[in-house]
Amino acid sequence: EAGVVQSPRYKIIEKKQPVAFWCNPISGHNTLYWYLQNLGQGPELLIRYENEEAVDDSQLPKDRFSAERLKGVDSTLKIQPAELGDSAVYLCASSAGTSGHNEQFFGPGTRLTVL
Amino acid sequence: QKEVEQNSGPLSVPEGAIASLNCTYSDRGSQSFFWYRQYSGKSPELIMFIYSNGDKEDGRFTAQLNKASQYVSLLIRDSQPSDSATYLCAVGRGGGYNKLIFGAGTRLAVHP
Repeated sequence: EAGVVQSPRYKIIEKKQPVAFWCNPISGHNTLYWYLQNLGQGPELLIRYENEEAVDDSQLPKDRFSAERLKGVDSTLKIQPAELGDSAVYLCASSAGTSGHNEQFFGPGTRLTVL
Repeated sequence: QKEVEQNSGPLSVPEGAIASLNCTYSDRGSQSFFWYRQYSGKSPELIMFIYSNGDKEDGRFTAQLNKASQYVSLLIRDSQPSDSATYLCAVGRGGGYNKLIFGAGTRLAVHP
């Protein structure tokens, strides 16, 4: 079974430029999460999708971040414009459900460097 | 006060010893508890989860939960150099939605 796929793995951009990350969850997983992980910290949830609906985006900085999950499968996270402080690893995860018994599987992440 | 606290380490143990990793959490309503392992430059992978007070064993790993003390731990027996990684404690708030709050992780170094 294929795991969570993310691309690109690495991205270097100048500040104020836009950037987008893509995620393909495990087949059949209807719940998709985007996390941000800063160096030396644990992942922090940005947004959670149930199928195509964003049901928890309270931690998403909506002035510059946006996300979509068209057709309830793949998802894209966008930053426009990027700031120096956005340099981090962006992790996508998926699970088969949302109860406490559903394991979240993480993708390899996209390491973003903003210069 | 952070919601999930872990000692950042590094925790250094000799090969073959028991490594003990600890985590405390602030939300008394937390219902599910997870330990993830994260190798440098890699993504987190689930090692164990525990929901009830007491111990849960899986191979060389034992998770311990004490809800009264708001404390969860992970014991790794017969530690191997390949266990060297950062161990993340994550706490789920339940309520039908398992939003995970992660600690900053404890770095474990197992030396031969």
